Amino acid sequence: AQKITQTQPGMFVQEKEAVTLDCTYDTSDPSYGLFWYKQPSSGEMIFLIYQGSYDQQNATEGRYSLNFQKARKSANLVISASQLGDSAMYFCAMREGRGAQKLVFGQGTRLTINP
Amino acid sequence: AAGVIQSPRHLIKEKRETATLKCYPIPRHDTVYWYQQGPGQDPQFLISFYEKMQSDKGSIPDRFSAQQFSDYHSELNMSSLELGDSALYFCASSPWSGGLEAQYFGPGTRLLVL
Repeated sequence: AQKITQTQPGMFVQEKEAVTLDCTYDTSDPSYGLFWYKQPSSGEMIFLIYQGSYDQQNATEGRYSLNFQKARKSANLVISASQLGDSAMYFCAMREGRGAQKLVFGQGTRLTINP
Repeated sequence: AAGVIQSPRHLIKEKRETATLKCYPIPRHDTVYWYQQGPGQDPQFLISFYEKMQSDKGSIPDRFSAQQFSDYHSELNMSSLELGDSALYFCASSPWSGGLEAQYFGPGTRLLVL
């Protein structure tokens, strides 16, 4: 079964608008971490934001925030005031359990910001 | 801030050849991870090391091996290369906390097997 599901293969948004990228996850482990990475066309993987399963508040990092709904097992990324440089592939990923090593990634969402 | 360094950045090999990819983690990061990303795919975990010991293993082919050295750098050795090994290979690093630290990725090595 897919551990991380990103249902939006592509999204097109006007510059300066807010955008929400969806991510749902599947785990029975009470301890896990959820991560978002950005991959521009140049190929590097850039860490954006992290949410732990025991965190009481939604994570925020500058223009990025994570809408964490534990009961629904969703961890959506919200980008406020989008910029042209936000155009990239965005991956949601999960690490399960204390001491877990591997990141399991979703299929990604390609975000295009239009001027 | 210092980032993960990977070398080489690009590599072209023939089938059945060998390749060695190198990774230098962020200073004071003692855990390294290797991922393979095929064209149009999400990254797949290969293997990880903590304090020179293998700490987790994913879908790494038997033709591949890896190790971590005393200075924490890591090398991924790939033998009998196949066309399907053409991919972007990432190394990532993090401090070991037993928790759920973020992994910071290097720029990747783009391997093309002809």
